[in-house]
Amino acid sequence: QQQVKQSPQSLIVQKGGISIINCAYENTAFDYFPWYQQFPGKGPALLIAIRPDVSEKKEGRFTISFNKSAKQFSLHIMDSQPGDSATYFCAASTRETSGSRLTFGEGTQLTVNP
Amino acid sequence: GAVVSQHPSWVICKSGTSVKIECRSLDFQATTMFWYRQFPKQSLMLMATSNEGSKATYEQGVEKDKFLINHASLTLSTLTVTSAHPEDSSFYICSARVVGGAFFGQGTRLTVV
Repeated sequence: QQQVKQSPQSLIVQKGGISIINCAYENTAFDYFPWYQQFPGKGPALLIAIRPDVSEKKEGRFTISFNKSAKQFSLHIMDSQPGDSATYFCAASTRETSGSRLTFGEGTQLTVNP
Repeated sequence: GAVVSQHPSWVICKSGTSVKIECRSLDFQATTMFWYRQFPKQSLMLMATSNEGSKATYEQGVEKDKFLINHASLTLSTLTVTSAHPEDSSFYICSARVVGGAFFGQGTRLTVV
């Protein structure tokens, strides 16, 4: 059963625009929500993560918005650049410990046109 | 962030042979490592959870005799694809978690010819 649903599947944005990727989860026990960026032929790289005790977290051009009641969270990329073109995955887990597995969304292929 | 090193980054092998992929945590000790498989344009599929000093836990549908996992130390886990066949061709990625996040290796592109 897919527990984290991600949309859209693909996204095309102009340089300087805002990219928005959304995720929804079902398991209310999830308490750690990271976003990963993956370039072709590379492993995913941790971008930013949030816990449900805050509604927003910002790091540079990347912002996570979190809505606990709606069980949704989203990634906003401000001033999108061609170098941001990659696949983005949201994920969730129940505990931020070494043995806790991540459940991933389906991924979003982001293309930023120059 | 923590560094996870995976080797090799790509490998081509003949059908019927075995291939070993190594995953090392460089600046931390990982009691648990995760092995994923990723098909083109798809998400990461968890294959197994590797626990130091004990047997790995495999996900449903993953053949434990084909995908041998060894986690003999706190910094090294290996995945061996035994008797590889073309359908085993894929991108394999390892991961380890620390407080602060889960970090991934660079991935290994396996091509079985």
